[in-house]
Amino acid sequence: GAVVSQHPSRVICKSGTSVKIECRSLDFQATTMFWYRQFPKQSLMLMATSNEGSKATYEQGVEKDKFLINHASLTLSTLTVTSAHPEDSSFYICSASSGDQPQHFGDGTRLSIL
Amino acid sequence: KNEVEQSPQNLTAQEGEFITINCSYSVGISALHWLQQHPGGGIVSLFMLSSGKKKHGRLIATINIQEKHSSLHITASHPRDSAVYICAVDPGNQFYFGTGTSLTVIP
Repeated sequence: GAVVSQHPSRVICKSGTSVKIECRSLDFQATTMFWYRQFPKQSLMLMATSNEGSKATYEQGVEKDKFLINHASLTLSTLTVTSAHPEDSSFYICSASSGDQPQHFGDGTRLSIL
Repeated sequence: KNEVEQSPQNLTAQEGEFITINCSYSVGISALHWLQQHPGGGIVSLFMLSSGKKKHGRLIATINIQEKHSSLHITASHPRDSAVYICAVDPGNQFYFGTGTSLTVIP
């Protein structure tokens, strides 16, 4: 079945570091990718929607200059957390879909900023 | 092996019908989530459960921790409820997702 690979699975880094998370669709072309965030003991929250070749659409309250999303190809989207701070520590998950097909989720990235 | 099993995979109902979607899981969890996805859209979180029952409007979610089972009920279904409903469990370090139930409510 369709697989979405997310990398890295865990990141621990110092405050002020920029962190890049990759989301790849391995056996299908993902026209749309979604990025979600989960804070401890809370549900998933959609951060942004990215369509291949166009700018991402960010949800209200999500800083686009803080969370840079690039979807340059049909198989790869990246989320860069710029100048990360401890409050950015969270669990980030991507999902990918092709047209009206169901979303396929990555395994998530646990980001810890010291 | 799927950690989360959802049923049915597809469901068509007449407007006004009572709908139940089931979710069984095999891992220990700290929370279970019911998510909704409209065509082409991102996921919307409906419920986060760790025990008992929650109600929001026409939606009711229940969970039985001992039996590792949860149900999502929709009362008086409406065409705008047509969407994919996804069960996801959170053991504490990552999510496991069900394959989703595609619901179509016919006027």
